[in-house]
Amino acid sequence: DAKTTQPPSMDCAEGRAANLPCNHSTISGNEYVYWYRQIHSQGPQYIIHGLKNNETNEMASLIITEDRKSSTLILPHATLRDTAVYYCIVRISSSGNTPLVFGKGTRLSVIA
Amino acid sequence: NAGVTQTPKFRVLKTGQSMTLLCAQDMNHEYMYWYRQDPGMGLRLIHYSVGEGTTAKGEVPDGYNVSRLKKQNFLLGLESAAPSQTSVYFCASSQVHYGYTFGSGTRLTVV
Repeated sequence: DAKTTQPPSMDCAEGRAANLPCNHSTISGNEYVYWYRQIHSQGPQYIIHGLKNNETNEMASLIITEDRKSSTLILPHATLRDTAVYYCIVRISSSGNTPLVFGKGTRLSVIA
Repeated sequence: NAGVTQTPKFRVLKTGQSMTLLCAQDMNHEYMYWYRQDPGMGLRLIHYSVGEGTTAKGEVPDGYNVSRLKKQNFLLGLESAAPSQTSVYFCASSQVHYGYTFGSGTRLTVV
């Protein structure tokens, strides 16, 4: 699986959009980008995933560059409850088994 | 619908003792996983299972054993606990290879 690079920490003002970047310059054509987050002491929570098109769900939006070498997770109106560690993971999604490999992620602090 | 349930939530062991951590899921998921998380670190995969009766090693399998005798349960065993195994252990399950559902974790301290 392609390696990802994320900033170790970011701050965001409450109510503003949080934009979390992820670099994955060695991504292959059949690898997906996944985002999870982990709120303090809890198990990680799935947020969103995508292959090449931008994706949106009730939690967030995922913007993938045209060359797929980087992506951005957008939380449109960050709240204090969005304070968490956010993990960007790149892996093949297929019928074979390739478990998720977590890096250190980005620690997002939402500030009132 | 409880999702993924881990027991116990907390445990203190003495070096050399053994114990089993239980993970139970009620979503009929095929795949189950055990991860450990040390302070300030990301999650590391210990073992995983792609179905009842099957298990495979992950990134850090040494000192642990697992069993998946029933589809809904995935057990993680420590035969002889060591202080280096002090960690928070998370179990997860999935039907496909995204959308993992994690349990709330087991905090284990080995003294």
